[in-house]
Amino acid sequence: KQEVTQIPAALSVPEGENLVLNCSFTDSAIYNLQWFRQDPGKGLTSLLLIQSSQREQTSGRLNASLDKSSGRSTLYIAASQPGDSATYLCAVRVTEYGNKLVFGAGTILRVKS
Amino acid sequence: EAQVTQNPRYLITVTGKKLTVTCSQNMNHEYMSWYRQDPGLGLRQIYYSMNVEVTDKGDVPEGYKVSRKEKRNFPLILESPSPNQTSLYFCASSWGRGPSRLNTEAFFGQGTRLTVV
Repeated sequence: KQEVTQIPAALSVPEGENLVLNCSFTDSAIYNLQWFRQDPGKGLTSLLLIQSSQREQTSGRLNASLDKSSGRSTLYIAASQPGDSATYLCAVRVTEYGNKLVFGAGTILRVKS
Repeated sequence: EAQVTQNPRYLITVTGKKLTVTCSQNMNHEYMSWYRQDPGLGLRQIYYSMNVEVTDKGDVPEGYKVSRKEKRNFPLILESPSPNQTSLYFCASSWGRGPSRLNTEAFFGQGTRLTVV
């Protein structure tokens, strides 16, 4: 059974700092990995999608990497801003179990001004 | 604009009163699913549908029903809601049917916060 773990569970950093969020998964049989952002009480906003054959994806100040063989992904946020404060969720789409998304518990990020 | 639309956004109801949460997508996606999000438990899949008239149970299907009569719509039905179904619900859609199409982005609705008293 696929399990996804995100470390750290919470992170508080001063504005301007570069930071890394970690995601690990137990089964390398995935189609893709997707990073989401969730603001309190709100929906999920897709940030980056990495296909299983890719190593990384970039969007603005965000860069996500994927090492499928070791079951790891990182989300790098450059020059963090208070507006980046949110919960960041990592999810893998599995090749079995109805091809569902399996989510980690998330990292709560607070960027202090 | 590509989107997944859920309604209602907020709902307070009483135990046992049947309710339906609607979900509609405008991307012609084959794959649709429902998740619930609970503190400490994260997001868990309730039901999914690979295409019209094809549905199957996810991880936590008890107390829920779904139907997929049209490609764009995937309503979630609670026949007799109970307080343990108080949660934040999300509908999602994406391409499906084959590895190349499963390698695409999943889109989520804005969520429905349900309270059952």
